[in-house]
Amino acid sequence: DIQMTQSPSSLSASVGDRVTITCRASQGISNSLAWYQQKPGKAPKLLLYAASRLESGVPSRFSGSGSGTDYTLTISSLQPEDFATYYCQQYYSTPQTFGQGTKLEIK
Amino acid sequence: QITLKESGPTLVKPTQTLTLTCTFSGFSLSTSGVGVGWIRQPPGKALEWLALIYWNDDKRYSPSLKSRLTITKDTSKNQVVLTMTNMDPVDTATYYCAHSRRFLAPEPFDYWGQGTLVTVSS
Repeated sequence: DIQMTQSPSSLSASVGDRVTITCRASQGISNSLAWYQQKPGKAPKLLLYAASRLESGVPSRFSGSGSGTDYTLTISSLQPEDFATYYCQQYYSTPQTFGQGTKLEIK
Repeated sequence: QITLKESGPTLVKPTQTLTLTCTFSGFSLSTSGVGVGWIRQPPGKALEWLALIYWNDDKRYSPSLKSRLTITKDTSKNQVVLTMTNMDPVDTATYYCAHSRRFLAPEPFDYWGQGTLVTVSS
């Protein structure tokens, strides 16, 4: 299995801050990397796929980058609705695997 | 508009078999490239990928759970069924089904059901 390691596991930030979450795969995944946002009691929501492609309807303050084994999710200016838990997922190989999550909290 | 909804028991006893049904609309599992997967999330923990079935009946399973899982589709009913045998309290989780696609390569889950909480307890 490909292991996905996210960092940090939690993060405190303020509205307007720029934040970056990283995800490292245990082997190369050829940009087959997605980012999801999950709010309490809700299903995950797809934000980005193919490492950097924004899903339709997702605000442009979300962006992704990376290649090989290392990927990042950046939120350029945090909004109140962005406080949630974020997961990366590799869909390069079976079993598809998720990171352990990054909880983004209000400072 | 694509929607998915999970259904099944909310409580199962240890050693029992869990059967979950995902009923969907807005797409067909007979359309080339379409897939439906199952993902679970124990309370307060991370997401875990379980299984995925594609339009051509290609089935993929988590190796760690493969011996306990079966995924099937009923195209006429727009349903995907997941069975998990020998349930244990550690299988307590919210179970989600989700829509995916595969053309040149697999794609992520772009539409999710609301999830259903399954508790395993005697």
